[in-house]
Amino acid sequence: NAGVTQTPKFRVLKTGQSMTLLCAQDMNHEYMYWYRQDPGMGLRLIHYSVGEGTTAKGEVPDGYNVSRLKKQNFLLGLESAAPSQTSVYFCASRTRQGPNTGELFFGEGSRLTVL
Amino acid sequence: AQKVTQAQTEISVVEKEDVTLDCVYETRDTTYYLFWYKQPPSGELVFLIRRNSFDEQNEISGRYSWNFQKSTSSFNFTITASQVVDSAVYFCALSEAYYGGSQGNLIFGKGTKLSVKP
Repeated sequence: NAGVTQTPKFRVLKTGQSMTLLCAQDMNHEYMYWYRQDPGMGLRLIHYSVGEGTTAKGEVPDGYNVSRLKKQNFLLGLESAAPSQTSVYFCASRTRQGPNTGELFFGEGSRLTVL
Repeated sequence: AQKVTQAQTEISVVEKEDVTLDCVYETRDTTYYLFWYKQPPSGELVFLIRRNSFDEQNEISGRYSWNFQKSTSSFNFTITASQVVDSAVYFCALSEAYYGGSQGNLIFGKGTKLSVKP
């Protein structure tokens, strides 16, 4: 079982460049999330999606865009990268119903450095 | 607004010591869920436990135990007889109830880094 897969795992960007992080889950989960993790800050929610074709802002959405064109994929885009976006990004998913709802399944993380 | 506070930024213990990680939360919801996640040095996030607000029973899983007290809004995590492999960052998290279509987003504390020395 692949679970939640993030690509790429590592990326170095120059200020102003754009890129897209891909999150794919094979568990048929309805909900998907993008978090960023910074030293001493814990995990902060960037954007989330409660279903195909829907997205919503989280705690720190500025500078990011997302899309959920297919249920299994959740894309996080940086249109013009800034050094402040240097972080480790985690994608997560969870099911909407059932006894295990609420448990987030995380990807392995994507380390992004913006120079 | 919901908030999770993990006041202990770093804890260092010697192997076989018991250690308790504190978690204090704030919420206006009457129904909510509390979680603990472990992040070892390898970086992945590992789910440890979920507890709903109606269940105040303490839980024990091997060397791990959790003490949930609504009266003090705390959900503390104790590792008994700690081992080097317990070295990790531990996150406490809170979510609103997610039945009825609520998105139930998780709010994380800033984490406690536990170092267990041999």
